Amino acid sequence: AQSVTQLGSHVSVSEGALVLLRCNYSSSVPPYLFWYVQYPNQGLQLLLKYTTGATLVKGINGFEAEFKKSETSFHLTKPSAHMSDAAEYFCAVSDRGNQGGKLIFGQGTELSVKP
Amino acid sequence: DTGVSQDPRHKITKRGQNVTFRCDPISEHNRLYWYRQTLGQGPEFLTYFQNEAQLEKSRLLSDRFSAERPKGSFSTLEIQRTEQGDSAMYLCAGQLAGVFYEQYFGPGTRLTVT
Repeated sequence: AQSVTQLGSHVSVSEGALVLLRCNYSSSVPPYLFWYVQYPNQGLQLLLKYTTGATLVKGINGFEAEFKKSETSFHLTKPSAHMSDAAEYFCAVSDRGNQGGKLIFGQGTELSVKP
Repeated sequence: DTGVSQDPRHKITKRGQNVTFRCDPISEHNRLYWYRQTLGQGPEFLTYFQNEAQLEKSRLLSDRFSAERPKGSFSTLEIQRTEQGDSAMYLCAGQLAGVFYEQYFGPGTRLTVT
């Protein structure tokens, strides 16, 4: 069964500092990989996804993530944090074999940005 | 704006009452998913539809839960005899035919059972 582990339920950075949110997955076959962001009392917004091809993917708001098959990881980074990046971030996977299908989410990482 | 709307946005009910939530995706969303998110956790899959057919249900979906998608358009999720443990955010997501690796989430319905 697929599973997702996000290391660190809470990450705090200073404005302008590097953001690194960690995600590892467990799956017998490399799945589709996603990062979503959730602001308070709102739904989820897709930041970026990896399906095939280039392993470094760029998303919205300056975020990017790199798929590393050997490490079963898909860490999210942003070179310089902005106050507006403060939110909850979820890593998720879905099964390639079912045309995507249901998403399996990690428990989330809350990002705080200090001025 | 993902084009997916949910109604109501908030619902407070007393234990034992029935509640129904509605999700309206855009017409091009042939798949529709329901997820439940409890405080401090990631969303958990409940069920999904392809057009009007319900293709998968999670074991989280007890007998008190039922979902429908008549005519493959909007969907409803009903919870009968609500329990305090049902308090959560209920999210729905639409998926475009052929773009099977992206899901577009609605704003969610927050249910509080007192």
